[in-house]
Amino acid sequence: AQSVAQPEDQVNVAEGNPLTVKCTYSVSGNPYLFWYVQYPNRGLQFLLKYITGDNLVKGSYGFEAEFNKSQTSFHLKKPSALVSDSALYFCAVRGSVSNDYKLSFGAGTTVTVRA
Amino acid sequence: EAGVAQSPRYKIIEKRQSVAFWCNPISGHATLYWYQQILGQGPKLLIQFQNNGVVDDSQLPKDRFSAERLKGVDSTLKIQPAKLEDSAVYLCASSFFSGGAADTQYFGPGTRLTVL
Repeated sequence: AQSVAQPEDQVNVAEGNPLTVKCTYSVSGNPYLFWYVQYPNRGLQFLLKYITGDNLVKGSYGFEAEFNKSQTSFHLKKPSALVSDSALYFCAVRGSVSNDYKLSFGAGTTVTVRA
Repeated sequence: EAGVAQSPRYKIIEKRQSVAFWCNPISGHATLYWYQQILGQGPKLLIQFQNNGVVDDSQLPKDRFSAERLKGVDSTLKIQPAKLEDSAVYLCASSFFSGGAADTQYFGPGTRLTVL
């Protein structure tokens, strides 16, 4: 069974500074990795995903994520954070083994960007 | 393109009552998912449909939860009778393809259920 760990419950950064949200995973076979963002009283919005190919994946709203197979990590990054990036971020993983395509989510990381 | 629609947005009931949630996926999406998101946790899959067939309901508490997607489009999730621990946000998601590993899921706004 697959699992995701988001080691930080909260991340606080100043506007304009780099933002990193950490994620590590455990999965059978090759991983399929996703990042979602959730604003208050809203559903999850898809940001980006890693399937195969380049380890650096670019997504929506200036976010990117780096896949590191040896460290089983998929950290989300943004070079210059905005106050509007304040939200709850979820990392999720799926395995590539047939009959195990269930998407497993981490517990989430709350990002606060201060002006 | 319209997103995933859910109703109601909020529901308050007393324990042992019944409740139903409705979801309409993005047009043309074959696969539909229901998730339960308890406060402070990530979403947990309850059931996955492909068209009108159930693909995975291994985490659905079948003694009280039921779901259907009769015509392969919209879906209803029911809880009967509700327990206090069912208080959560119920999210519906859909994806275009068959729900394989690389398939991206798109989520609706959710229904926040409070059981008193």
